[in-house]
Amino acid sequence: GAGVSQSPSNKVTEKGKDVELRCDPISGHTALYWYRQSLGQGLEFLIYFQGNSAPDKSGLPSDRFSAERTGGSVSTLTIQRTQQEDSAVYLCASSLVGRTAGGSNQPQHFGDGTRLSIL
Amino acid sequence: SQKIEQNSEALNIQEGKTATLTCNYTNYSPAYLQWYRQDPGRGPVFLLLIRENEKEKRKERLKVTFDTTLKQSLFHITASQPADSATYLCALDNIGAGSYQLTFGKGTKLSVIP
Repeated sequence: GAGVSQSPSNKVTEKGKDVELRCDPISGHTALYWYRQSLGQGLEFLIYFQGNSAPDKSGLPSDRFSAERTGGSVSTLTIQRTQQEDSAVYLCASSLVGRTAGGSNQPQHFGDGTRLSIL
Repeated sequence: SQKIEQNSEALNIQEGKTATLTCNYTNYSPAYLQWYRQDPGRGPVFLLLIRENEKEKRKERLKVTFDTTLKQSLFHITASQPADSATYLCALDNIGAGSYQLTFGKGTKLSVIP
């Protein structure tokens, strides 16, 4: 399809396990974002990739969270030793390159997210 | 402290009326402000973007205003329809303070009643 694709759409795992979430951005979009959305909360920025530049990791909540983007396309968000407070919807977005350092002058195109539940 | 406040968590209006949603911010110096629509179980969908030096932007039945003096954006949907029922999110950067990422408000859930 032409949109941002995320997988899996749902993930249930036990506390302490590691999880990997995948994002396929729109072809040609050099900017990629990860957000977290908890019930009743706004979207929380996690990490931003722009081309070959060093990613902006300023939103990652702890060192259990990491992300990589291979070949400037697909991205994987990894959460190690999951905790119950990690339960949320993880959303990925992509955009064309922006004039601002965070791409805020460009519309972001979101996937439908991965709903992560930690038992 | 920094805050983005969107008016009441829920807004109910009658079909055909104009819906007005507000986004107020404190301790932000944005260059860009964006509005998104989010349906249950789906990711947000981009609607409109407005720059700090623009007063108003329109797209079909949608209109956004941006008042940097009042630190407020208004989002209007004219001739509202039940299909407009969704949660609407505002998002802004803080470039004036050196923060480049968008920060999202918690959203306003709009229900258009037939």
